[in-house]
Amino acid sequence: GESVGLHLPTLSVQEGDNSIINCAYSNSASDYFIWYKQESGKGPQFIIDIRSNMDKRQGQRVTVLLNKTVKHLSLQIAATQPGDSAVYFCAERRWVSARQLTFGSGTQLTVLP
Amino acid sequence: EAQVTQNPRYLITVTGKKLTVTCSQNMNHEYMSWYRQDPGLGLRQIYYSMNVEVTDKGDVPEGYKVSRKEKRNFPLILESPSPNQTSLYFCASHASNLNTEAFFGQGTRLTVV
Repeated sequence: GESVGLHLPTLSVQEGDNSIINCAYSNSASDYFIWYKQESGKGPQFIIDIRSNMDKRQGQRVTVLLNKTVKHLSLQIAATQPGDSAVYFCAERRWVSARQLTFGSGTQLTVLP
Repeated sequence: EAQVTQNPRYLITVTGKKLTVTCSQNMNHEYMSWYRQDPGLGLRQIYYSMNVEVTDKGDVPEGYKVSRKEKRNFPLILESPSPNQTSLYFCASHASNLNTEAFFGQGTRLTVV
């Protein structure tokens, strides 16, 4: 079956630096992507989303980039803070079965003081 | 406050003893889903519901049942739990607009011995 999310399992960054978390997907028909943040002991929380007709979308301190040519998605976090330490998941929603989210295995981001 | 509430948060049970994990949302969302989260496998969908009395299987439905008698509630039922159902379970809901985020509950950590 098709899958989402070839992640590096862990990423460590210095506080104040920018973080880049990557995700690859294989379903070229996917039209909508979401990044979630999961802190220890909590459920996933929405960070930012992007539709396939866009290449870039910015939020507060976060930017998502979508490269459909190579089926690659990235999440950039500016000026990473200790509170950003968490597991980050990319998720894909396919139009045909749009009520289903397909998640990657996640990347653990650790912010070093 | 918009939220998805799961109960219990933690549960230890024995093989074969029927259990129910409750999920309730206060956002009047049409869609609700159950996921399980296992190390290295990310979040996998168990069942989803598009509205009252409408449910369908996700990626890993074996050993689980659901019901949707009311819009706000979506309980997950394990008729005869087995140790391989030891996992972290999340309930999620989202509106019928397909380009919307899913809201997740806090999770239920289930251990079957």
